[in-house]
Amino acid sequence: AQTVTQSQPEMSVQEAETVTLSCTYDTSENNYYLFWYKQPPSRQMILVIRQEAYKQQNATENRFSVNFQKAAKSFSLKISDSQLGDTAMYFCAFRNYGGSQGNLIFGKGTKLSVKP
Amino acid sequence: DTEVTQTPKHLVMGMTNKKSLKCEQHMGHRAMYWYKQKAKKPPELMFVYSYEKLSINESVPSRFSPECPNSSLLNLHLHALQPEDSALYLCASSQDLGFLNEQFFGPGTRLTVL
Repeated sequence: AQTVTQSQPEMSVQEAETVTLSCTYDTSENNYYLFWYKQPPSRQMILVIRQEAYKQQNATENRFSVNFQKAAKSFSLKISDSQLGDTAMYFCAFRNYGGSQGNLIFGKGTKLSVKP
Repeated sequence: DTEVTQTPKHLVMGMTNKKSLKCEQHMGHRAMYWYKQKAKKPPELMFVYSYEKLSINESVPSRFSPECPNSSLLNLHLHALQPEDSALYLCASSQDLGFLNEQFFGPGTRLTVL
């Protein structure tokens, strides 16, 4: 069974600094997709960034980038120039290609606080 | 319009009540999902609909009954719930069940069962 582990329950960062959230996963599959979702205190979850396992190039979306290490089964999220609006729960998620349709497997989340 | 709406925002019900949660999207998505999220926990998948047909039921108790009347609307009917069913219920939609498709989440309904 696939599992997703986020080892940092809580983190904090000063505004404008850089922070990295870690995520590791366990799978025996070769094709899969990885996602980072953000859930602010208002609760609506939004997609931050996604990565296809067969792509070696790390995904980037503006201030958000990932460090995808397939051999190590690691998928960390780097947030540059942190802003107060980045305060949220961040969930790493895994979806197996060809697996249970629609089944996103989430990690337990990391609560990020950006301090002024 | 990239929004998934959910009503009501909050719901308090007794164990003998019957209530329904509603989810709506107008993005032309053909896959819709119900998730349950307990406090400080990740969302857990409950049901998946694809083209208005139930595709996945993650062994959810029968006191939860989903319904997809049309491609834009998803309901979750609740009956004889238990206090442990209190949680945030999230609806999501995606273009279809393609694996890279982004799931768009609604704000959720906060359910309290007394």
